[in-house]
Amino acid sequence: KAGVTQTPRYLIKTRGQQVTLSCSPISGHRSVSWYQQTPGQGLQFLFEYFSETQRNKGNFPGRFSGRQFSNSRSEMNVSTLELGDSALYLCASSLGDRDGGELFFGEGSRLTVL
Amino acid sequence: AQTVTQSQPEMSVQEAETVTLSCTYDTSESDYYLFWYKQPPSRQMILVIRQEAYKQQNATENRFSVNFQKAAKSFSLKISDSQLGDAAMYFCALQGGSEKLVFGKGTKLTVNP
Repeated sequence: KAGVTQTPRYLIKTRGQQVTLSCSPISGHRSVSWYQQTPGQGLQFLFEYFSETQRNKGNFPGRFSGRQFSNSRSEMNVSTLELGDSALYLCASSLGDRDGGELFFGEGSRLTVL
Repeated sequence: AQTVTQSQPEMSVQEAETVTLSCTYDTSESDYYLFWYKQPPSRQMILVIRQEAYKQQNATENRFSVNFQKAAKSFSLKISDSQLGDAAMYFCALQGGSEKLVFGKGTKLTVNP
């Protein structure tokens, strides 16, 4: 079956703009988590959505937001972009039953902010 | 709060030899799970191995095995008979209770032919 699909794969924005990233999870997966990956900070948790509800949230400013649709697809939005937002944004899906189930990752969306 | 520490930013190993990647963690949960994920260059992250904290037996997946020391809060990954395809970033991760999955900063493994 199809894996986790993230779009777009690459994008370049300028400071002050906003961006929306999309994630289509594996069919049947109800949980979608988002991570920001940078060389200095590693993988930092942004948020998790389960059945259209935000179930967990990381320590990011309010400029970072997300949502999940009824078909489990998820989007994350970053407003008023800053240079420090340049990163690889990873989406991961899972069944979401919190028994240590495997996360399945997409290839990521690489955002460059100029 | 849950934390994961990988003290080795980079490691290298000769092809066919064995290498051990270190990981320590901290959690107040009694029920938790530990993972090693692999991220090859420009490719997506995949699960290598998973350990349930309540199981004393160390998990094994083919050439990959872990040394889980619960009292010491240590969870190391051993790769036997290293192959060129093992070259990647390896992330140790922890999930406890209803908490999110927390990752260490990763260890970059180079495999020399």
